[in-house]
Amino acid sequence: SQTIHQWPATLVQPVGSPLSLECTVEGTSNPNLYWYRQAAGRGLQLLFYSVGIGQISSEVPQNLSASRPQDRQFILSSKKLLLSDSGFYLCAWTRKGTEQYFGPGTRLTVT
Amino acid sequence: GENVEQHPSTLSVQEGDSAVIKCTYSDSASNYFPWYKQELGKRPQLIIDIRSNVGEKKDQRIAVTLNKTAKHFSLHITETQPEDSAVYFCAAGPSSGGSYIPTFGRGTSLIVHP
Repeated sequence: SQTIHQWPATLVQPVGSPLSLECTVEGTSNPNLYWYRQAAGRGLQLLFYSVGIGQISSEVPQNLSASRPQDRQFILSSKKLLLSDSGFYLCAWTRKGTEQYFGPGTRLTVT
Repeated sequence: GENVEQHPSTLSVQEGDSAVIKCTYSDSASNYFPWYKQELGKRPQLIIDIRSNVGEKKDQRIAVTLNKTAKHFSLHITETQPEDSAVYFCAAGPSSGGSYIPTFGRGTSLIVHP
């Protein structure tokens, strides 16, 4: 069966510090991968998606970036965090179809 | 692009009542419509979905209906229980060539009172 991992689970970072969040998927190959952000009490905002290694599409201009160095690994980064970057970051995957499954998420607080 | 509107934002019912959440979408190319349940502090979980070639789908106490002409779809929960309390999200988007980019509704907070 397929499993999706995210780490860290929680993170508290000062404004201006860098960020690296990691997502990995097990039990499947060549998945589509997604990064979402969810602000407190709000909906899901798509940040990036990837259909293959090195292929990243950005949905929202911001100070975040994403990379996919391996087939089942997706990384979200920032060089300098802003207060507005606080939120619940969710990684998700789909087969080359539609059912989308979410990882456990990383709760980021920027202070 | 796709625009998904979800109503109501909050729904409060008594245990045993039915609950209905409605979503509308704008892109006629959208062909896959999932519903997610998100409990507080946890990840969204897929609970039911429907594709554009089907009008209705049921799974025990939950059902989803789709009206392609009117571009709306609904989640129906019967015999609600306190453990149904959560935020529910709908989504819509076109799926083709192995690519699927969903647009999510803003969510409905369902509260089931015992």
